[in-house]
Amino acid sequence: KAGVTQTPRYLIKTRGQQVTLSCSPISGHRSVSWYQQTPGQGLQFLFEYFSETQRNKGNFPGRFSGRQFSNSRSEMNVSTLELGDSALYLCASSTHGVRTDTQYFGPGTRLTVL
Amino acid sequence: DQQVKQNSPSLSVQEGRISILNCDYTNSMFDYFLWYKKYPAEGPTFLISISSIKDKNEDGRFTVFLNKSAKHLSLHIVPSQPGDSAVYFCAAPNSGGGADGLTFGKGTHLIIQP
Repeated sequence: KAGVTQTPRYLIKTRGQQVTLSCSPISGHRSVSWYQQTPGQGLQFLFEYFSETQRNKGNFPGRFSGRQFSNSRSEMNVSTLELGDSALYLCASSTHGVRTDTQYFGPGTRLTVL
Repeated sequence: DQQVKQNSPSLSVQEGRISILNCDYTNSMFDYFLWYKKYPAEGPTFLISISSIKDKNEDGRFTVFLNKSAKHLSLHIVPSQPGDSAVYFCAAPNSGGGADGLTFGKGTHLIIQP
């Protein structure tokens, strides 16, 4: 079974631009979560989607948004990029959610904002 | 406010000896804990979990102990092998229900020395 894939793996943007990251979950998984990893804050939960609906959101500004498609693939968008948005963005999928199933993580997208 | 704390950023252990990684939490509502392992340039990989109704869970060389009164858990790796060198994260689901993401500690970098 193929694992979680994320594209692109690396991205360089400048302040003020916007960016869209993509995540394809493991086949059959309907829950997709997004996390931001930075050296200072560690791994922080952004949001989770299940069956095309956002079920929960972490403590991030509205510039961070996402969506999920009917095939469970998910995209994350960050608008008006700031230098502090430079981070590794990880996507994780599971069958139903973090409490009932193991989350499987993708390799991440490394975003650098200049 | 860090609800899951890993106070040792790094730990060096000789191959064949026991590695003990510690994690403290402040939220008494947490009732399920997970350990993840992360290699550079890869996403975190689930290692082992424990429910609060247990005080120990074992899986091969990995054992997790939970002390609810002290709000402390630890991961024991016996014997330690070179391939165990990685960053280890302790995590807990944010709240009840299947919709929430994980709260992670900042990680402990385990280095196994030959």
